[in-house]
Amino acid sequence: QSVLTQPPSASGTPGQRVTISCSGSSSNIGRYSVAWYQQLPGTAPKLLIYGDDARPSGVPDRFSGSKSGTSASLAISGLLSEDEGDYYCATWDGSLTVVFGGGTKLTVL
Amino acid sequence: QVHLVESGGGVVQPGRSLRLSCAASRFSFSSYGMHWVRQAPGKGLEWVAVILYDGSNEHYADSVRGRFTISRDNSKSTLYLQMNSLRAEDTAVYYCAKGGGILGSRNWNDVAVLDPWGQGTLVTVSS
Repeated sequence: QSVLTQPPSASGTPGQRVTISCSGSSSNIGRYSVAWYQQLPGTAPKLLIYGDDARPSGVPDRFSGSKSGTSASLAISGLLSEDEGDYYCATWDGSLTVVFGGGTKLTVL
Repeated sequence: QVHLVESGGGVVQPGRSLRLSCAASRFSFSSYGMHWVRQAPGKGLEWVAVILYDGSNEHYADSVRGRFTISRDNSKSTLYLQMNSLRAEDTAVYYCAKGGGILGSRNWNDVAVLDPWGQGTLVTVSS
């Protein structure tokens, strides 16, 4: 059971906008910044969003993050087939650990 | 461009030990916190441990505390994970990752940002 809760799956057609949610508590998302990671099939995870809504250089602006209270969201607009993979939210927790969500498998139909 | 290469994985019997290494290059290794994260076959990401840039502070997941030890040798730009009393449930791909923040950061909120990640090394615990 993951500390952060994500839906196990999400889907959309090319060009659509998809949103993935991440729910936590006052000891993690409510106090610290959220990061999102993308893991494409057979590859290592890659940082997509940090500081709740900041994009590292090289990440397309189709990806955006937001946070409100103890929940965060990742939005992907203009969905592409190459976006198909697993997405994880993560943050620091008051228990002095990094906590991850269980991951959301994104399927592009 | 930051480069991280893990090594040391393999097949080990339950109860035995294994040490993983992560060779870092193309950045000031001694100035950043470093993490280990694992992923069991077909499962999600599980954070394992973190160590600050100077080795002064480290934290562990409950599942490995007391069995695993994270350490670093800044003179060799290398991160380690000593894994003792291994169990079948420790079977996973182990990734090392660079922590975020400014040089010499002790801000856990920033250090907790993992970027980039190595390619991973597979550890299989089986008799």
